[in-house]
Amino acid sequence: DVKVTQSSRYLVKRTGEKVFLECVQDMDHENMFWYRQDPGLGLRLIYFSYDVKMKEKGDIPEGYSVSREKKERFSLILESASTNQTSMYLCASSLTDSRYGANVLTFGAGSRLTVL
Amino acid sequence: ILNVEQSPQSLHVQEGDSTNFTCSFPSSNFYALHWYRWETAKSPEALFVMTLNGDEKKKGRISATLNTKEGYSYLYIKGSQPEDSATYLCALCSSNTGKLIFGQGTTLQVKP
Repeated sequence: DVKVTQSSRYLVKRTGEKVFLECVQDMDHENMFWYRQDPGLGLRLIYFSYDVKMKEKGDIPEGYSVSREKKERFSLILESASTNQTSMYLCASSLTDSRYGANVLTFGAGSRLTVL
Repeated sequence: ILNVEQSPQSLHVQEGDSTNFTCSFPSSNFYALHWYRWETAKSPEALFVMTLNGDEKKKGRISATLNTKEGYSYLYIKGSQPEDSATYLCALCSSNTGKLIFGQGTTLQVKP
């Protein structure tokens, strides 16, 4: 019954390392999203993609990039990890709509990243 | 800046108590409102997506109402159970940008 799978639940990386967070969905959804969640703050959108090879910056894209080579897979890349990127990262997907936030999101279980 | 506010931030209740919490948003930017439940170590799970003023939705002991004119939604849990312990997130889909903006969440703890 798994619908959105994130590759790692827990990661520990060092400052300056390149980090890949992978997300795969099996629902044929057009939209895919990367959020981060920090204590006391709502989920904040990093990047989203509405189609293969298409990407849009969210509210906090600095320090991140993304890749969507196949419809089912959306990767988040931290080119050079920093301690302020220690966070919980959530991937989500949804069906397309004229407004990308209109349809319900299906989330992965999250990846907790610690950068030392 | 569009702000979605949830209150209270956290809540502790006894098993069997009924409870409710609030999500407030700018009414001028409303397109849709989402509610999610996020249990520890699990994925956030969708509860409701609401679009019409006056909408009321129900899922078991959980229900939600929506007032788009005054910019708020209430989530009610009747007869809380320990398995209801979770963080409840609301999110506004903005009519202007189409973006989904999340509140900070309300964390509910139900004691047996």
